[in-house]
Formats: sequence, C-alpha cells, structure tokens
Amino acid sequence: DQQVKQNSPSLSVQEGRISILNCDYTNSMFDYFLWYKKYPAEGPTFLISISSIKDKNEDGRFTVFLNKSAKHLSLHIVPSQPGDSAVYFCAATGGGSEKLVFGKGTKLTVNP
Amino acid sequence: NAGVMQNPRHLVRRRGQEARLRCSPMKGHSHVYWYRQLPEEGLKFMVYLQKENIIDESGMPKERFSAEFPKEGPSILRIQQVVRGDSAAYFCASSPQSGRGQPQHFGDGTRLSIL
Repeated sequence: DQQVKQNSPSLSVQEGRISILNCDYTNSMFDYFLWYKKYPAEGPTFLISISSIKDKNEDGRFTVFLNKSAKHLSLHIVPSQPGDSAVYFCAATGGGSEKLVFGKGTKLTVNP
Repeated sequence: NAGVMQNPRHLVRRRGQEARLRCSPMKGHSHVYWYRQLPEEGLKFMVYLQKENIIDESGMPKERFSAEFPKEGPSILRIQQVVRGDSAAYFCASSPQSGRGQPQHFGDGTRLSIL
C-alpha cells in the first residue's frame, strides 16, 4: 500500500522554464511534507518542506504548494537549470511518527 | 550530504555472512534513522533510534536485522546471515531533535551487494 505516490517517473524540461513535480498522498494523518533531491551514488539532500498549516512555502527558486483537500502537493522550480537534473523524492510524516514515507521519485532532466 | 558519515560506502558479502553498516550522525544530532532503497524504489523506513534507545523499529524485518546507537560511537545496522534479497542501498539520516520542522539529513549510503 503506497501512501505517497509520485505518478510521473520522469520529466524533461528546457533550461529556464518551470519544472513542476507532483506528489499525492493517502494518509490523512500526514502533517509535514518534504522534498529531497538525489544524485546518483549520493544520499538524498533536503530541499524544502511544508507544514499542513500552510499551503505554500518558498525558498529561492523552489516553491512547494500543498492542497490538503486533494491530498496533493507539488514542487515548482523556476527557472530550471541543468544542475537541477536529479531524482526528486516527495516524503511525508505525521500521526506521531517520526519516520518519513517516501514516494518512488521523479527523474528530472533539464536540457540546456 | 556533508555531516552524516556512513561507512563503508560499498560492502560485498557472500550469502550467510554478516554485514555491519556504520553511521555517525551530524554533530549535535542525537536522532538517527535507517532507510533501505531497493532498485527503482523509494526509500523505506527501517528503524529510528536515539542514544541507547530504539524508538521505532516498525520497518525492521523480524529476523536477522538489528540496530543500535550506543552512548559512545556510531550507530550500527547489523544484518546476520545475509541473503541475495538484502542487496540494496542503506541510508542513514540524523536530526537534532524530534518534532515538526526538523528535516532529516542523509548520508551518502552504503551499497550492499550479496554474492
């Protein structure tokens, strides 16, 4: 039973354009959501997070939007850069647990 | 990923041997988490520890797997009598404390290969 789903295994965008990565969750107890970026042979790097009391959080080129009623969040990267090419994981936690529940990831390719 | 140190980076074992994976959390972090990633999958939680205590081991297989985080030294994930299905990347993460607003920071992982 996959509680966090990233339905697009891959995404390709042109440099300078916007990248939008999507994530859906099923567990209504989740109240904190995170995005991680991962390069091959490295560990995930924390990018940005959002609490369920907010619907938007912004940090530089990265913005995360949360739609609680739809149980959906998205990560916007603008403008996209070739160095953003990586696998992006959505993760969620809540219900008194500290463990992160991860999606399977979306491989983003930003073409020069 | 600077800060959370995992070793070895690569570990090869034959079936039936033991594997020991080590994790030193970031300085000032007292909470350690272990995750496993199978090919083409996301990371799956295994265990959450604080110094000398296992807080949540709901993701640990019932047999052959154990974890500890002693008062002194790194956290250890131990796999006894390894089988081919244990081949995976094992990631350790740490945080300074529990609670919301405390993202977990990951090491670069140990790639375990079972021959």
